[in-house]
Amino acid sequence: EVQLVESGGGLVQPGGSLRLSCAASGFTFSSYWMTWIRQAPGKGLEWVANIKREGTEKYYVDSVKGRFTISRDNARESLYLQMNSLRAEDTAVYYCARDQGGSYYSYWGQGTLVTVSS
Amino acid sequence: DIVMTQSPDSLAVSLGERATISCKSSQNILYSSNNKDCLAWYQQKPGQPPKLLIYWASTRESGVPDRFSGSGSGTDFTLTISSLQAEDVAVYYCQQYYGTPPYTFGQGTKLEI
Repeated sequence: EVQLVESGGGLVQPGGSLRLSCAASGFTFSSYWMTWIRQAPGKGLEWVANIKREGTEKYYVDSVKGRFTISRDNARESLYLQMNSLRAEDTAVYYCARDQGGSYYSYWGQGTLVTVSS
Repeated sequence: DIVMTQSPDSLAVSLGERATISCKSSQNILYSSNNKDCLAWYQQKPGQPPKLLIYWASTRESGVPDRFSGSGSGTDFTLTISSLQAEDVAVYYCQQYYGTPPYTFGQGTKLEI
């Protein structure tokens, strides 16, 4: 059974940093692109970043470029999102999701909440 | 970036009736290699992650009831629920996955009874 479990969310002050993790199981992690998607409270879905199987290609939405870094450890079957210079508008539930060949998502984690507030 | 625009923002449909949600992309999202449109539909219920319903614009995900169908091509797409059930109350999102990221979502359509 495919499982994705996010962790690392919490309350952080504006300008602070946080590192999210996503532990994967039930599939060959190294064979799939992986993605972070977020959802601000009461708002819609926003695609954040994705990373190629070997980690050699990474893409970001403009609003996080230069502040967030996506990475992965295939040996640990884990996906990460390092978030720096956090802003109030980064407050959201962050989901990790597995690409399905095309970049649509059958498998999602339950999400981890990041709150940026003083 | 490709902009995805859904309509309406909210929709009320009676049980057993048809529900139709529109999604328009700001540019063509046809993938020439397989002649399929890079468009997915998701259903999200409160407190849950989204659930994939449709991909490649019209391919139903395994386990999704056949009352859900996707259609359209190019820049105009539609999600249809042929006979609304109580459990279909949710927010529905379209998403494009064409070319180089970012892969954008529509703003969502809230479906109520």
